[in-house]
Amino acid sequence: DAGITQSPRHKVTETGTPVTLRCHQTENHRYMYWYRQDPGHGLRLIHYSYGVKDTDKGEVSDGYSVSRSKTEDFLLTLESATSSQTSVYFCAISESGLADQETQYFGPGTRLLVL
Amino acid sequence: GENVEQHPSTLSVQEGDSAVIKCTYSDSASNYFPWYKQELGKRPQLIIDIRSNVGEKKDQRIAVTLNKTAKHFSLHITETQPEDSAVYFCAGTGYNFNKFYFGSGTKLNVKP
Repeated sequence: DAGITQSPRHKVTETGTPVTLRCHQTENHRYMYWYRQDPGHGLRLIHYSYGVKDTDKGEVSDGYSVSRSKTEDFLLTLESATSSQTSVYFCAISESGLADQETQYFGPGTRLLVL
Repeated sequence: GENVEQHPSTLSVQEGDSAVIKCTYSDSASNYFPWYKQELGKRPQLIIDIRSNVGEKKDQRIAVTLNKTAKHFSLHITETQPEDSAVYFCAGTGYNFNKFYFGSGTKLNVKP
């Protein structure tokens, strides 16, 4: 497995509280991604980053923000968690970001439950 | 963006039989199609991919075929084994190669 870790691995929180998930990589890859995985929906892109301080939205970005202050870390923040954000969150990395040249490698996932 | 549809959502086969999973895509600019396998509680892992300049690619018991005219691609697993039981995802890229658009997944169950 690529050198990708996620923390925490499991979290239970209450509606309305802020939550931050961390993705850490040791591969020095330029591109990092946050996905959520829900039954029947596959993996859906929330946000991605193409460099330090460079981020862009994915298809389900509402209610989420991200930050990348270092190459190795990509943070996903739920400003005010809602029950609809209960999901499994996966981080992924890609060396070049050019999908026709380099695939994405996934972290172990974070299981989030919002009560 | 790209729209990737995947069928069937569940597939049950007997050990030793073949399994086929099909995906269609909408954006003719897509030119890279990876397949991921996800075992229960684990991360998705790449098992095979294909680029638009080839029509078929094989790796031991798995193969992927691509029909660019019809905008569909398929995963073929031969001589299935119980350890092939997992959820399989296809993906396409669309015109923005930085993004993957995933199908909704196929749960494959191989019965011993």
